[in-house]
Amino acid sequence: ETGVTQSPTHLIKTRGQQVTLRCSSQSGHNTVSWYQQALGQGPQFIFQYYREEENGRGNFPPRFSGLQFPNYSSELNVNALELDDSALYLCASSLNAGTGRNSPLHFGNGTRLTVT
Amino acid sequence: QKEVEQNSGPLSVPEGAIASLNCTYSDRGSQSFFWYRQYSGKSPELIMFIYSNGDKEDGRFTAQLNKASQYVSLLIRDSQPSDSATYLCAVTASGGSYIPTFGRGTSLIVHP
Repeated sequence: ETGVTQSPTHLIKTRGQQVTLRCSSQSGHNTVSWYQQALGQGPQFIFQYYREEENGRGNFPPRFSGLQFPNYSSELNVNALELDDSALYLCASSLNAGTGRNSPLHFGNGTRLTVT
Repeated sequence: QKEVEQNSGPLSVPEGAIASLNCTYSDRGSQSFFWYRQYSGKSPELIMFIYSNGDKEDGRFTAQLNKASQYVSLLIRDSQPSDSATYLCAVTASGGSYIPTFGRGTSLIVHP
């Protein structure tokens, strides 16, 4: 069973730039969720994708956008980077089997983004 | 705003003791409850999940859910120094979306 993989592991960007983070879901999973975790805080929900559609969105501005591909992998794009965007970005996959209850989230190792 | 509250700690216990971690949530209709462990600099890993009132045991871990009082707890028996980590509580709200909301986590320190 292949777990959730994220790339890159670390990234340093300058304020105003754009960044794309990538995630491959665990085999057998069809749903991908993205979270932002600042130092000392719990993960904050950004958005979730299911069947290539956004299935829910947290309190993040439109410059945070995403995609899900037919193979269930996903991208998180952030435009016009701000210093406060510096955080650990976590991708998690799960299975939506149509039973009304998804399987628990399984996280990748995260991408540490630093904005200077 | 659905909220999940945890005491940030740190909670310090001696090796071999029982560590008790607590979490309260605001949405009375919440359906699913999860505990994750996160080592410093690493990503969260799932320890346990619980859906129904009562206790659920898995090895040294026991999750306890009380929906009437809107709290969920995690007990770690025979605590080991390797259990030292931040423990995150996550709760899915009512309404059909299956999107867990996380607390800020409780730091646990198990000292020899």
